[in-house]
Amino acid sequence: EAGVVQSPRYKIIEKKQPVAFWCNPISGHNTLYWYLQNLGQGPELLIRYENEEAVDDSQLPKDRFSAERLKGVDSTLKIQPAELGDSAVYLCASSLIGVNEQFFGPGTRLTVL
Amino acid sequence: AQRVTQPEKLLSVFKGAPVELKCNYSYSGSPELFWYVQYSRQRLQLLLRHISRESIKGFTADLNKGETSFHLKKPFAQEEDSAMYYCALRAPHNQGGKLIFGQGTELSVKP
Repeated sequence: EAGVVQSPRYKIIEKKQPVAFWCNPISGHNTLYWYLQNLGQGPELLIRYENEEAVDDSQLPKDRFSAERLKGVDSTLKIQPAELGDSAVYLCASSLIGVNEQFFGPGTRLTVL
Repeated sequence: AQRVTQPEKLLSVFKGAPVELKCNYSYSGSPELFWYVQYSRQRLQLLLRHISRESIKGFTADLNKGETSFHLKKPFAQEEDSAMYYCALRAPHNQGGKLIFGQGTELSVKP
C-alpha cells in the first residue's frame, strides 16, 4: 500500500505563473482533503471532498485557487496566478467518510520567486 | 471560534526525562481531539485520539474539559520521540467535521 501519493514533491515557479498539484488518495477512501501548511504553522484546510462533491471549500481563495476531483478519486489543486505568499507546503489527505483518521501524503513544497 | 493552541514551539528534554506537550482548545461543543506526529522526512501521521484512551509509543493524553486541555505526556522520553507534534480538534461530522490544527511543538530529545 503506497499510501496517499502527491506530485510533484517540489515546485519552484515565478510569481504570476500557474501551478498544479496532483493527489491520489488511498484506494477506497471517499473523502479527500487539501491542506495548506505555512512555515512554522499547522495545516489549514483548504477544501474537503466527499466523493466528487466539494463539501467544504470555505477556506479556499477562489479568486486564484481551484480544485477538482473528477470521478471521485484523484484530485488536482491549481493556483493561477501564483503569488509570493503562496509559498508553502500543500498537503493532501484521505479518509473514509465518517472515520476520524486522516492519512496524509508527503506534501508538495511550493516556492514562488 | 474553534481554535487549538500549542504554547511551546520547541521543547527540549534529555533522554529518560518526562515530557509534556501542552495543548489547549476553544470549542463550545464536544470536540474530538487528536495528536498527530511528523518525524523527520516522514509524513504527518496520527499518534492518538482521545476517544480511544490508548497509549501509543508510551504517550498518553487526557481530555480535560474543565481546563479545555489535551496535553500529551510520556514518562520517559526517548531519542526517537524527537519530532513535530500537532494537536488537532475535529467538530462532529454533522457539524462539518473540519480538522483544526495547532501550530505544532517541536520535541527534541537529547542523549
